[in-house]
Amino acid sequence: ETGVTQTPRHLVMGMTNKKSLKCEQHLGHNAMYWYKQSAKKPLELMFVYNFKEQTENNSVPSRFSPECPNSSHLFLHLHTLQPEDSALYLCASSGLAVQETQYFGPGTRLLVL
Amino acid sequence: AQSVAQPEDQVNVAEGNPLTVKCTYSVSGNPYLFWYVQYPNRGLQFLLKYITGDNLVKGSYGFEAEFNKSQTSFHLKKPSALVSDSALYFCAVRPGRDTGRRALTFGSGTRLQVQP
Repeated sequence: ETGVTQTPRHLVMGMTNKKSLKCEQHLGHNAMYWYKQSAKKPLELMFVYNFKEQTENNSVPSRFSPECPNSSHLFLHLHTLQPEDSALYLCASSGLAVQETQYFGPGTRLLVL
Repeated sequence: AQSVAQPEDQVNVAEGNPLTVKCTYSVSGNPYLFWYVQYPNRGLQFLLKYITGDNLVKGSYGFEAEFNKSQTSFHLKKPSALVSDSALYFCAVRPGRDTGRRALTFGSGTRLQVQP
C-alpha cells in the first residue's frame, strides 16, 4: 500500500488555477505512469515515463503537463483545466520488462470548479 | 489494438457462495493478463496475473483466475465469497511480445456486491 504515494489526496481548483500532483514510488522501479479514472469510463492512460524519458503521450491536452525528474518521482502540472477534467488521477510504477506488474498509488481526487 | 470486455457491470453473490467475475480480451499474440481490485476512495490493488504456464493462476485473498486461450477469457473466481470482497474489479491486458508500449488496457470494471 505505501509503495506508491500520491499527494494531495484531494484537490479542488478553479479553472484559472495552477496546481501540481505529486507521485513518489519506493519500489525501485524505472517506469512510471499517469492514468485518469472518470466515472463510468475505463481507466485511461495519460503518460508513460521510462528512466525519466516520456515514451507515451496518449493524446492528452496540453493543459496537463507531466514532469519526471528522476525514476522515483512523477508530477502532473495542471493549468486552466475544465470541469470535465474532474476525475481520480492515478499514478503507477513498474519494472521495465513487459511482464512486470504495475503498482498503483491511492490517487488524487480532483474537482475542477 | 487490444481490448478488454467485462460484460457485467455488477455481480451480486451471497456470502459463502462461489463468485465469478468475467473478462474476455482481444490482443494480437499471446497476452499478459491482470486482475486488480479497487476499494472506495483507494487506488488499484494488484490481485494476480497470467504470464505463461499453468492456466489456473492463484492470487491474493483467495482469488484465482483461469486463462482460456480458445475462449479468450480470463475469469476471476473465488470458492467462497466474503462481504469484505465487495469492491470494483478490473481486468487488464497487455500484448505478450514487447511492442515498446508499457500501458495496460483496462476493462470498464465490475462491481462485486457480496450480501451477508
